[in-house]
Amino acid sequence: ETGVTQSPTHLIKTRGQQVTLRCSSQSGHNTVSWYQQALGQGPQFIFQYYREEENGRGNFPPRFSGLQFPNYSSELNVNALELDDSALYLCASSSREDKNIQYFGAGTRLSVL
Amino acid sequence: AQKITQTQPGMFVQEKEAVTLDCTYDTSDQSYGLFWYKQPSSGEMIFLIYQGSYDEQNATEGRYSLNFQKARKSANLVISASQLGDSAMYFCAMRVLRGGATNKLIFGTGTLLAVQP
Repeated sequence: ETGVTQSPTHLIKTRGQQVTLRCSSQSGHNTVSWYQQALGQGPQFIFQYYREEENGRGNFPPRFSGLQFPNYSSELNVNALELDDSALYLCASSSREDKNIQYFGAGTRLSVL
Repeated sequence: AQKITQTQPGMFVQEKEAVTLDCTYDTSDQSYGLFWYKQPSSGEMIFLIYQGSYDEQNATEGRYSLNFQKARKSANLVISASQLGDSAMYFCAMRVLRGGATNKLIFGTGTLLAVQP
């Protein structure tokens, strides 16, 4: 079991609403990455934070935004939710000292109705 | 373009037998990393094994080994002595190392492994 924790585990929202997902990184890890996994697919990279700065972004619109805090925990915010945003959102933490191996949390399952 | 291909949507294996899950990758970069993750029905992505592109020996972690064939661009996962708890989705992933820039993983579509008693 990794030390990466995500909250909440499940969430139901309606179209147009906003949502915030949270992630606590493993002790000693200063990098957090977020992924979206639609049903039956592999995870897709959303963005990554390193020492509180965005360090790369995948092909996601600006309504997907994030933050990293001084303790390296992170938030993923999604505005103006769409039905296609329904997915499992995975957070992973890593550090260069640990070969940058990404360790994942259990994910937040978001349903948009 | 960087891509991971897993051609086996599903696999069956008898308990205690060995199984190989296929993975091929495409990248023009010389420095990259290859990973295998296990995802049970609960959803958590569990790290299994890592192989760096410059590692000369195949990686091993307990019952897991990675058969790395660089010239063929393949990174197959071998699970020895399968157990019922090995039943899960398995993802192959690649990380391209570009001088400290984005450290993202590119995933394949996964292989669903079912271990039969």
